[in-house]
Amino acid sequence: EPEVTQTPSHQVTQMGQEVILRCVPISNHLYFYWYRQILGQKVEFLVSFYNNEISEKSEIFDDQFSVERPDGSNFTLKIRSTKLEDSAMYFCASSRLTSVRGTDTQYFGPGTRLTVL
Amino acid sequence: AQRVTQPEKLLSVFKGAPVELKCNYSYSGSPELFWYVQYSRQRLQLLLRHISRESIKGFTADLNKGETSFHLKKPFAQEEDSAMYYCALDAGGTSYGKLTFGQGTILTVHP
Repeated sequence: EPEVTQTPSHQVTQMGQEVILRCVPISNHLYFYWYRQILGQKVEFLVSFYNNEISEKSEIFDDQFSVERPDGSNFTLKIRSTKLEDSAMYFCASSRLTSVRGTDTQYFGPGTRLTVL
Repeated sequence: AQRVTQPEKLLSVFKGAPVELKCNYSYSGSPELFWYVQYSRQRLQLLLRHISRESIKGFTADLNKGETSFHLKKPFAQEEDSAMYYCALDAGGTSYGKLTFGQGTILTVHP
């Protein structure tokens, strides 16, 4: 069964450094998402992406964050200048199609644990 | 803004006992509700969604719009049900696809 994959599984970085988290969504999926979960807190929506542009973003997704689909398979989340509070588990998800008529099942990746020192 | 509340952080039951994981939501529109499960060292995966009206692994959940609840139930818990359970809401409309999660409930089923 196809799965969403994410690399790396764990990323350690210094405060102020740029990081890129990578995701390979399921191949026939059209909608892509990033969520994050700070230790002990809720899973929080960051951004959704469709047709090469952002569909929706949360308040967390400020100018330090960006997403890109650089080729036909990868979906990346970039944090330009990391802060201590960016330390979290970052989940990528994808779905076949989502529309105003309803949400298709989102399939999650295993997550990337980001530690900012 | 929408909100999902799971009042129990931890829930322990014995094998064979009934289990109910509570989920309440606040949203003025007609949301879609989901239960996601995360077994130890595995990824988040969909357990069930209210529009499907299915029973998955013996679990059911009924959307009660009057009480704004979507509690997850199973009549006879099994040890393999031990996991983290998340209730999630999709507000639909212009926010379709954006899942709002509850805090999660860790279910432990003792032998």
